[in-house]
Amino acid sequence: AQSVTQLGSHVSVSEGALVLLRCNYSSSVPPYLFWYVQYPNQGLQLLLKYTSAATLVKGINGFEAEFKKSETSFHLTKPSAHMSDAAEYFCAVRKRENEKLTFGTGTRLTIIP
Amino acid sequence: DTAVSQTPKYLVTQMGNDKSIKCEQNLGHDTMYWYKQDSKKFLKIMFSYNNKELIINETVPNRFSPKSPDKAHLNLHINSLELGDSAVYFCASSQGRWAGGTTDTQYFGPGTRLTVL
Repeated sequence: AQSVTQLGSHVSVSEGALVLLRCNYSSSVPPYLFWYVQYPNQGLQLLLKYTSAATLVKGINGFEAEFKKSETSFHLTKPSAHMSDAAEYFCAVRKRENEKLTFGTGTRLTIIP
Repeated sequence: DTAVSQTPKYLVTQMGNDKSIKCEQNLGHDTMYWYKQDSKKFLKIMFSYNNKELIINETVPNRFSPKSPDKAHLNLHINSLELGDSAVYFCASSQGRWAGGTTDTQYFGPGTRLTVL
């Protein structure tokens, strides 16, 4: 079964600092990987997704993630945090064949002024 | 225009009651989903319909019954509500059957916060 592990349920960074949210997956084959963001009292929005076209994936709002097969990781980064980035971030995985999305437990990102 | 809409946004009810949550998407998508997000923010799929056909049915109590009158609507009916049903329920839709392809994306509704007293 596919699964993702998000290390750190809470991450705090200063405004302007680097954002790094960690996600590791377990899969017998290279999966599709996704990052979603959930702003307070809203539904999830897709930030970016990896579908094997390129290992470095750029998403919306300046976020990007790099697929590293050797580390089974898909960490989300942003060079400079903005106050509006405060939200809950979810990593998700799906096998290439027909299968549902499986979400991680989420990481709450807090931005310190 | 809202792509995926849910009603109501908030639902407070007593244990034992029966309630429904409605979902509509105006994206022309073929597939719709229901997710449950618990108090710890853990998000888990409950059901998925593709062109009105049930394709995912996770281990969910049979008190939960999805109904898809057409491919633009997927409603969730819950019988005999229990305290543990309190959560935020999200509807989502995607064009494809499994929403993981190179060009496919799941779009989520704003959620319905259900509180069972």
